[in-house]
Amino acid sequence: DGGITQSPKYLFRKEGQNVTLSCEQNLNHDAMYWYRQDPGQGLRLIYYSQIVNDFQKGDIAEGYSVSREKKESFPLTVTSAQKNPTAFYLCATSLSGTSGIAYEQYFGPGTRLTVT
Amino acid sequence: SQQGEEDPQALSIQEGENATMNCSYKTSINNLQWYRQNSGRGLVHLILIRSNEREKHSGRLRVTLDTSKKSSSLLITASRAADTASYFCATAWPRDDKIIFGKGTRLHILP
Repeated sequence: DGGITQSPKYLFRKEGQNVTLSCEQNLNHDAMYWYRQDPGQGLRLIYYSQIVNDFQKGDIAEGYSVSREKKESFPLTVTSAQKNPTAFYLCATSLSGTSGIAYEQYFGPGTRLTVT
Repeated sequence: SQQGEEDPQALSIQEGENATMNCSYKTSINNLQWYRQNSGRGLVHLILIRSNEREKHSGRLRVTLDTSKKSSSLLITASRAADTASYFCATAWPRDDKIIFGKGTRLHILP
């Protein structure tokens, strides 16, 4: 997982509460990504950022928000508008930036969010 | 959808045997990537193969790409218990820095 930290590893929240998941990297990568993984499924892209102060919606952005104020950090907020927030959330980085080329991605260890 | 589709969904083999997983996709790609995920962990990048490449090797891993058939395969030779994991292919469109993941193949190596 080296170079990318996600905290906490497990997170429990009550329905109706917003929650922020942390993602920090020291790889000096321009691009950062947030994915959601449900049991037995692949990864679905929530949001991504190619450069500081800029980000784009992925395939399932509804109910989520992000910010990219620093190159090292890309926090994800799961809002109360997200209907099924319980999932495994993965943060990733890559060199891609605005090059238009998809390089390999490096993943953090993930945060398992449970909302009851 | 550009999403790659892995086959089989699950695979169990004896330790020491070779494991082959396949990935098919629908539209032209810039590159195709393979990742491994151990249970409850983040993904680890294994190999990236570009659209103009046909085969790549990394240790016990061999990846092939057939753009005419829009398919790729990942071969793990002489499997070990530590190879037990889920394996995902991810496809990259031309001029796009995002990748799209398939649903993965769950590989179980039997002792």
